[in-house]
Amino acid sequence: GAVVSQHPSWVICKSGTSVKIECRSLDFQATTMFWYRQFPKQSLMLMATSNEGSKATYEQGVEKDKFLINHASLTLSTLTVTSAHPEDSSFYICSARDNAGEQFFGPGTRLTVL
Amino acid sequence: QQQVKQSPQSLIVQKGGISIINCAYENTAFDYFPWYQQFPGKGPALLIAIRPDVSEKKEGRFTISFNKSAKQFSLHIMDSQPGDSATYFCAASTHTDKLIFGTGTRLQVFP
Repeated sequence: GAVVSQHPSWVICKSGTSVKIECRSLDFQATTMFWYRQFPKQSLMLMATSNEGSKATYEQGVEKDKFLINHASLTLSTLTVTSAHPEDSSFYICSARDNAGEQFFGPGTRLTVL
Repeated sequence: QQQVKQSPQSLIVQKGGISIINCAYENTAFDYFPWYQQFPGKGPALLIAIRPDVSEKKEGRFTISFNKSAKQFSLHIMDSQPGDSATYFCAASTHTDKLIFGTGTRLQVFP
């Protein structure tokens, strides 16, 4: 299957700092990528849909000024958590959709805000 | 109408047994039904997917059964192994829209 990578796999930061997470589709081009957040023992919560070359579409309740998404190329999308606080600590997962409509997920990024 | 209901929440199966997880949806516009497997601390991995033009799809020990009239689909894991212990998510979407996930089923397979 198609491969999606995320970097970093884990990050610890101080409260008030910003953190950038990268999501790359390694062997296919993805016009659309998605960013999810997952709390322990819960399902995936869609945060936003990222389309190459245009603004991201955020789900209701997700602060777009706090979670900045950039999809600058067909293989790269980034999520920046600005002014992170302990409540932003979570498991962030991206996915990329191929031309057949199938969605492949990255390995996730564990964010811990101290 | 966008919900996907998944059951059971947890499942314990003996090695060699059959694991069955069920999902139901309401939106008849859905035309793509994937199943994902997730291990702790990892991202979900696409396991198998089906489109509504077929009633069953089999890949190795994994089978999706799809009932369009009942708006239900299920995952069957034959000859379940301890390595299958993971959380399984069903999902549904239209071809160009976002995935709607079920709530997940935690499967434990005991030797």
